[in-house]
Parts: sequence; structure tokens; C-alpha cells
Amino acid sequence: DTEVTQTPKHLVMGMTNKKSLKCEQHMGHRAMYWYKQKAKKPPELMFVYSYEKLSINESVPSRFSPECPNSSLLNLHLHALQPEDSALYLCASSQPDRDQGSEQYFGPGTRLTVT
Amino acid sequence: AQKITQTQPGMFVQEKEAVTLDCTYDTSDPSYGLFWYKQPSSGEMIFLIYQGSYDQQNATEGRYSLNFQKARKSANLVISASQLGDSAMYFCAMNRYNNNDMRFGAGTRLTVKP
Repeated sequence: DTEVTQTPKHLVMGMTNKKSLKCEQHMGHRAMYWYKQKAKKPPELMFVYSYEKLSINESVPSRFSPECPNSSLLNLHLHALQPEDSALYLCASSQPDRDQGSEQYFGPGTRLTVT
Repeated sequence: AQKITQTQPGMFVQEKEAVTLDCTYDTSDPSYGLFWYKQPSSGEMIFLIYQGSYDQQNATEGRYSLNFQKARKSANLVISASQLGDSAMYFCAMNRYNNNDMRFGAGTRLTVKP
């Protein structure tokens, strides 16, 4: 089973709202990722959790707050977003320590619109 | 720093023919992985194929094969017998051993014509 699930599929929120994106995997992977993807662009790495610890934060604004409650779950808390934050948010997971790099498996994404 | 370059913004191929999507990379690390992903209009990134930097043989997965030329730092994707369902955006990516920092190229939009 190579499934990564994400909820919700679509989200519309105002700039003063607080919302959360959720991601779950049951492949036993110990690394999980958040990416942001704008239209017609490649995914941009936001955060990486390895063994439930934040290992990479790509200078993401503090209005995005990641959380990894356990090895299967990854959340992205959103607060006071800007319209330019509207994008497809992708979650992925992988085994972190495989020789010569590890493939990542992606969820279907959450399409976020900030109004 | 690692860099991935895809120079073909768009490609067209006739159904049932083969097509090659180009990818070059730049890294000073000796150990790394190269990947290809397919992204249909639905948005999901689908893992297609992987090549390790020390692998002697080119990777193959069904109709997908990766033409790995290490000295030239290229990792082209070959899709044989194209199908209409192959129409999508294709991304080349790489990461390094023991580093989860995967970087993607700009992508190539493939259109398969009937």
C-alpha cells in the first residue's frame, strides 16, 4: 500500500481564519514532508519531519505551523494567510535513510484558496 | 547545492510512439537518487521510476525507462508505446543520501495525440 491521504481536498478560507491541513500515511515511513505548489510550477519544499522531529524548515513564514503528532500523521496549521498563499499543498512520505536517496510518495493534495 | 534542469516546457508525441523527456542535474555529492514523477491535471504526484547514483544499469519500470548517463549528468525518461493517459506534467527530481531535501526541475508538459 503506497497511499498517502490528505484532508480536506479543497479549502477556502479568509485571511483571519485558522484552519488545518491533515496528512496520514500507513507505510511505516519515518520522514514526512509538506510542499507548496503554485500553478504551472514545481513543488517547493516547506517542511521536513524525520523521526517525528522537524529537520528542515525552508524559511517558511510563521503563519504556517507544522505539527507531527506521531509517525503516521502530519498537520499544517494555517493562520492569518495572505491571498498569495493560495496554492496546492502536497504532503509526502518516505523512508529517510536509504542509500542513494529515497523516493517520496505523495498525497492528492489540498487546493487552498485564501480570500 | 543541487540543481535540476528540464529544458523542454512542452512535448508532443503520437499515440503508440516512444518519447524522451530530458533532464540534467548538477551536484557535487557522490551519492544521490534521481526520480521521475507524473502529475496529471488532478494534481497528485505519481512516482514513476528511481535511479541511484551507483546503479550500473538503467532503471526500468514497465513502459518507463531511465537513460542514466552519469558522466554527462543526465537522467532522461523514455516512455515507450505512449498512451493518451500519459498526457500530464512530468517532473525530474533528485535528493542526496541521508538528506531529505528533494529538488524538482521545472517540468515538461507531455501531450499524447490520438
